[in-house]
Amino acid sequence: DTEVTQTPKHLVMGMTNKKSLKCEQHMGHRAMYWYKQKAKKPPELMFVYSYEKLSINESVPSRFSPECPNSSLLNLHLHALQPEDSALYLCASSQEAGYGYTFGSGTRLTVV
Amino acid sequence: GEDVEQSLFLSVREGDSSVINCTYTDSSSTYLYWYKQEPGAGLQLLTYIFSNMDMKQDQRLTVLLNKKDKHLSLRIADTQTGDSAIYFCAETLGTGFQKLVFGTGTRLLVSP
Repeated sequence: DTEVTQTPKHLVMGMTNKKSLKCEQHMGHRAMYWYKQKAKKPPELMFVYSYEKLSINESVPSRFSPECPNSSLLNLHLHALQPEDSALYLCASSQEAGYGYTFGSGTRLTVV
Repeated sequence: GEDVEQSLFLSVREGDSSVINCTYTDSSSTYLYWYKQEPGAGLQLLTYIFSNMDMKQDQRLTVLLNKKDKHLSLRIADTQTGDSAIYFCAETLGTGFQKLVFGTGTRLLVSP
């Protein structure tokens, strides 16, 4: 298995909703990442988990809450989002930090 | 800053060669990457180069690295209409090189 699987592929949520994005990999990678990509822009790093511990938080608002329950799974919990949070959310994993990144196909989030 | 610069747009005819350029920021980056993104899709890793190399060839793709000028280029030989997409270069930054920072992206349009 050489893939990073993200679910759901599309999500529409209201500003008062709570939802979660899920990311899974079975490549034995020990680093996992969340990126946010706005339309016509490059992906921007949000969080890095290394060996299941949060190692980088790029000053992301607390309405985004990451979780890494085990080495194969990464979640992003969403609460009280704003319309400007609408974007493509990409998950990635790598064998080790800095090498061999594999990206999922993303979750397209729309906040209404 | 962490701005990785690319030209915005490139238009070529089918069968021509395409050259996409990138200027990165950190001379200590260990790996430099090229990703392809088709509309509505995630990121596909095309190729990468280790910082101690000058050139890497992989079928139709040739990567050139000039560390002195912090300049990276991707040449696509015999460009096809299916190569039309946005191309991002990316460099690894930060402690342990955990941050993958993307360039601004180049939209390649291949016409028949």
